[in-house]
Amino acid sequence: QKEVEQNSGPLSVPEGAIASLNCTYSDRVSQSFFWYRQYSGKSPELIMSIYSNGDKEDGRFTAQLNKASQYVSLLIRDSQPSDSATYLCAVNSGGGADGLTFGKGTHLIIQP
Amino acid sequence: EAGVAQSPRYKIIEKRQSVAFWCNPISGHATLYWYQQILGQGPKLLIQFQNNGVVDDSQLPKDRFSAERLKGVDSTLKIQPAKLEDSAVYLCASSTPVSTDTQYFGPGTRLTVL
Repeated sequence: QKEVEQNSGPLSVPEGAIASLNCTYSDRVSQSFFWYRQYSGKSPELIMSIYSNGDKEDGRFTAQLNKASQYVSLLIRDSQPSDSATYLCAVNSGGGADGLTFGKGTHLIIQP
Repeated sequence: EAGVAQSPRYKIIEKRQSVAFWCNPISGHATLYWYQQILGQGPKLLIQFQNNGVVDDSQLPKDRFSAERLKGVDSTLKIQPAKLEDSAVYLCASSTPVSTDTQYFGPGTRLTVL
């Protein structure tokens, strides 16, 4: 059974600092990796996707993927109070059945 | 572009009752997903449709849950009879035929089973 593991937190980070969120996955055939942000009472919103080893940067967000270690991370630079949310890591196999397997999410709190 | 629409937004029922949820995906999105999100957990895929055909329903509790997408557009998810452990948010998502990796989520239906 595919599993995605995340530290549930809460992770508390001072405003302006770098927030580092981590995720490991069990299925070695996973090909696509995603970070979703979910505010309380809202639906998940895609913020980053990554498909190959290395780093991918988009504004203040950087996703990192290491397939050998089955590890995905998300860095948020210059953290803002509006970044306070639950961050969900998700993977799929990229095959014909491409539903996502989600982790439980990490609750991030940015302290003003 | 209008997003994924879901209704109702909230539903409270008693155990053993039936309930149905409706989803209208983004126009042109061939792939539709239903996820269940229990409080404190990540979403769990229940069923995936490609047009009006089922691609994956391996995690759908088929003894009580059913779903259909008759004309390849709207979809309905039904629970009959409901159990206490079905209390959750039911999220519908859709994706384009070009990039099935980018899934857009609707606002969800919050179900409370008493």
